Amino acid sequence: AQSVTQLGSHVSVSEGALVLLRCNYSSSVPPYLFWYVQYPNQGLQLLLKYTSAATLVKGINGFEAEFKKSETSFHLTKPSAHMSDAAEYFCAVSDRSGGSNYKLTFGKGTLLTVNP
Amino acid sequence: EPEVTQTPSHQVTQMGQEVILRCVPISNHLYFYWYRQILGQKVEFLVSFYNNEISEKSEIFDDQFSVERPDGSNFTLKIRSTKLEDSAMYFCASTAHSNYGYTFGSGTRLTVV
Repeated sequence: AQSVTQLGSHVSVSEGALVLLRCNYSSSVPPYLFWYVQYPNQGLQLLLKYTSAATLVKGINGFEAEFKKSETSFHLTKPSAHMSDAAEYFCAVSDRSGGSNYKLTFGKGTLLTVNP
Repeated sequence: EPEVTQTPSHQVTQMGQEVILRCVPISNHLYFYWYRQILGQKVEFLVSFYNNEISEKSEIFDDQFSVERPDGSNFTLKIRSTKLEDSAMYFCASTAHSNYGYTFGSGTRLTVV
């Protein structure tokens, strides 16, 4: 069974500082990996995805993530935090074998706070 | 950009009542899902639906739950007899293929009192 671990349920950064949100996965084969963002009282928005092309993936709003197979990691970064980045971030994994399913397994989420 | 639409955005129901949560997935998508998020907890998979049948369901998705795609555009989740612990945000999602990533709806907040 797949699993996703997000280290740190709450990360606080200053505006303009580097954002680093950690995600490690457990899967028997390299999976598809996703980061979603959830703003307060809203749904889940896809930030970026890794589907076996380039290991460094660029997403929306200046975020990027790097797939490291040796570390089974897919950490999310942004060079300079903005106040509008304050939200909850979820890492998710989808089994490549899929079949007719492709369900996502989510991590517990990391709440990002950006301080002025 | 195409959206997944969910209605209602918020529903309050009494324990033991039936509720139907509605979703309109993106029109050319083939895979449909329901997830739920209990307040303060992670997003949990409930059920996946493909080719007009359930392809996988979690242990949460017991006999009280059912899904239906009645008319080729709507995708519904029914809870037959709601319990207090069913209070959660329910998300519908759809995708054309796994590596496209899902599109999620904005969710229905279900409150069982």
